Amino acid sequence: DAKTTQPTSMDCAEGRAANLPCNHSTISGNEYVYWYRQIHSQGPQYIIHGLKNNETNEMASLIITEDRKSSTLILPHATLRDTAVYYCIVAEYGNKLVFGAGTILRVKS
Amino acid sequence: DTGVSQDPRHKITKRGQNVTFRCDPISEHNRLYWYRQTLGQGPEFLTYFQNEAQLEKSRLLSDRFSAERPKGSFSTLEIQRTEQGDSAMYLCASSLGQPNTEAFFGQGTRLTVV
Repeated sequence: DAKTTQPTSMDCAEGRAANLPCNHSTISGNEYVYWYRQIHSQGPQYIIHGLKNNETNEMASLIITEDRKSSTLILPHATLRDTAVYYCIVAEYGNKLVFGAGTILRVKS
Repeated sequence: DTGVSQDPRHKITKRGQNVTFRCDPISEHNRLYWYRQTLGQGPEFLTYFQNEAQLEKSRLLSDRFSAERPKGSFSTLEIQRTEQGDSAMYLCASSLGQPNTEAFFGQGTRLTVV
């Protein structure tokens, strides 16, 4: 079973920041937080991952709380092409990823 | 293109037929994963390889399913005596299997059993 809890769906206005929360209260010390997204009929796309420090790349930022029990994925300027299902996953490196249902993010103009 | 490649992208087969899918991972990635995804659900883990060794199989992988990675490079997933319930997207992913690395997915093979 997935070890994360995410809202079922969220809406965001185009051009605004999208903040997607994730709870992972049972995360262990060796487990990373990974974010993937999936646009309809395509394979999941890697976004970002982190262990305990906040991370940023060209796609997004990942904010992990100090106790590591929750995190937030931030898309700084959402576009219509960011409409997708976003999956938050905790896993040890190299181990299988266990997907939950994810959050459906709808970006609206 | 240096991403994960899957072939074919689409497959329609009659119930009872055997099908085989191929996955070519990213070069130098020693871990390879197979997942299955049905409509409206997240991907479900099926099995994974470390080089040519199959290290874990999900209980979802019935006796009709077999996966191989004979030389530690490409992998095949075969389904024998297909059933309508096998209709799904079959996804392959690969990774370096090292700390602080991520897995990359292919575009999947969509199987329809009629």
